[in-house]
Parts: sequence; structure tokens; C-alpha cells
Amino acid sequence: ELKVEQNPLFLSMQEGKNYTIYCNYSTTSDRLYWYRQDPGKSLESLFVLLSNGAVKQEGRLMASLDTKARLSTLHITAAVHDLSATYFCAVLADTGFQKLVFGTGTRLLVSP
Amino acid sequence: SAVISQKPSRDICQRGTSLTIQCQVDSQVTMMFWYRQQPGQSLTLIATANQGSEATYESGFVIDKFPISRPNLTFSTLTVSNMSPEDSSIYLCSVSTSGYNEQFFGPGTRLTVL
Repeated sequence: ELKVEQNPLFLSMQEGKNYTIYCNYSTTSDRLYWYRQDPGKSLESLFVLLSNGAVKQEGRLMASLDTKARLSTLHITAAVHDLSATYFCAVLADTGFQKLVFGTGTRLLVSP
Repeated sequence: SAVISQKPSRDICQRGTSLTIQCQVDSQVTMMFWYRQQPGQSLTLIATANQGSEATYESGFVIDKFPISRPNLTFSTLTVSNMSPEDSSIYLCSVSTSGYNEQFFGPGTRLTVL
């Protein structure tokens, strides 16, 4: 059974700092997704990573995928308050049923 | 992507009653998914709803408790039956519209059971 873990679970950081969120998964998969959830809101798709070595960047966020290590990272550069949210990674577990297994989530709080 | 709506957006229900949640998509999609997000937790897949066939339930979820309908390619319902306070959660539907298995989520239904 596929397990997806994120760390840290909670991250409090100051504006202007850099940090990385890690997403580890337990079985082979070559597709990984990052989502953002604001308090009381639904999930917004951020990145789709489709192969080993894939790197995607949008603004201050950059995501990468290492399928051999079963690891994805979400790097935050020069954080701003607007990035405060919960970030989830999700791994494609079953291509037939298109089933996603979500990570535990990382709650990010960026303070001035 | 797709535009997804859910009804109701929130509800407060009494123990032992049932609630049906609707999910409407603005385009035809093959697969729709229902998730539960308990307070402060991640998302757990309840079932996958394919048009024209029985829903496929994940371990720990059963049809008697969470019956699902999928009458066409743009609509699905999830019923939470015989509710208890433990069913208090956000229920989200999602659809997969791209060739990359990317899922897009509806706004969610916040359910509180007293």
C-alpha cells in the first residue's frame, strides 16, 4: 500500500527566508502533484511532475521529483505572507483508476 | 481544468439523518472522485465514480454508508447515511480532465453532525 509522508508538518518562517518541504512515498510512481489549500477553501493545483528529474517553477515556488529516491521537494524562495497555506503532495497510485494518495500536508505560516 | 460546483456548501445535521451532496462539472469527464477531509487532516479517497458502473470504494468505506450515483458524465452525488458526529468533515469531489491524471477539486461541502 502506498504511503506518502511530508515533513515538516508545520513550518513557521519569516518573510524573505528560504525553505524546503519534503514529500516521500513508499512505492514506485512516476507522477506527483502539489496542491495548495487556503484555510476554509478547496485545493488548488500547483504543479504536475511527470517524470524523474522533472522541475517546475512558478513565482517563489519550485518543485522537483526524484523517482529513484521516491522524493519530491517544494522549495520556497524569499517567502512572503501570501504563501501562508497548507501544501499537499499527492502521488499517482493507480494509473487505471487514476487514484491519488495524498501526503499528510505541511502547514506553512509566513510572518512579517 | 474544469469548473466544479458542489451543493450544499455547508450543512449542520442531526445524528441519524442522511445528507446528499451534489457535484456538477461544466464539461464531460470520465472519472469523478469523492474525498473526505477530517478537521486538520489530509484528504482520504472515499470512492471513484464512473458513469454507467458501480462506484469503486476504498478500504474502510462501504456503499451502505456512502452511496454514490453517477447518472451522466457531468454529475454525481454522494450520500452520507445515518450520520454520527464522526462524519463531521469536509467532503470534496474532484475530476480528472487532463492526460496527466491531474485532479481538480470542487469547493467542498462542510458537514457538521450534532
